[in-house]
Amino acid sequence: DAKTTQPPSMDCAEGRAANLPCNHSTISGNEYVYWYRQIHSQGPQYIIHGLKNNETNEMASLIITEDRKSSTLILPHATLRDTAVYYCIVPLRGSQGNLIFGKGTKLSVKP
Amino acid sequence: GAVVSQHPSWVICKSGTSVKIECRSLDFQATTMFWYRQFPKQSLMLMATSNEGSKATYEQGVEKDKFLINHASLTLSTLTVTSAHPEDSSFYICSAPGPTNTEAFFGQGTRLTVV
Repeated sequence: DAKTTQPPSMDCAEGRAANLPCNHSTISGNEYVYWYRQIHSQGPQYIIHGLKNNETNEMASLIITEDRKSSTLILPHATLRDTAVYYCIVPLRGSQGNLIFGKGTKLSVKP
Repeated sequence: GAVVSQHPSWVICKSGTSVKIECRSLDFQATTMFWYRQFPKQSLMLMATSNEGSKATYEQGVEKDKFLINHASLTLSTLTVTSAHPEDSSFYICSAPGPTNTEAFFGQGTRLTVV
């Protein structure tokens, strides 16, 4: 997997947008960027993935820079239930097994 | 979406006993499943890849005789921690690629405490 770098922690006020950055400067041209999150004492949950176009689904938006060396996960209206560790992952050859989980970003949504 | 169910969600066992953890894909078939382990305040680490109808593939440093994996059907993989010791206490999580293989679905995890 391409190495990713994320800030260890972030705070966000409830109802505001949470913007979580990720650097993946060694990403190859055909590698996707994936985001998962892990709420305390639960298994990880898939959020979104993208290649080079911006993506949006019911959970979040993913903005990928034109050079693909970084991306930002956006939770448009963060709630307390969004408090979790967010992982940015670039799976090797897109494989959904052997995902390399770094330390991720601990997002704390505060009232 | 696809669902992966893991059972039990927590278990306490005595040192020296064995514990079996089940991982089921509820509405899709999974020829491959993955077992991860997560120690407190650490990230998930892959332990092994479970292959339906064949032997599991273990990551370096994971004892295959201690962590027995069986993947006898397309919807069930089991992990048995044999002769458990307190240092095996951890959060064990399974996953399976979804039907379109574009994302992974994780079980809810099993908290194992060995006393």
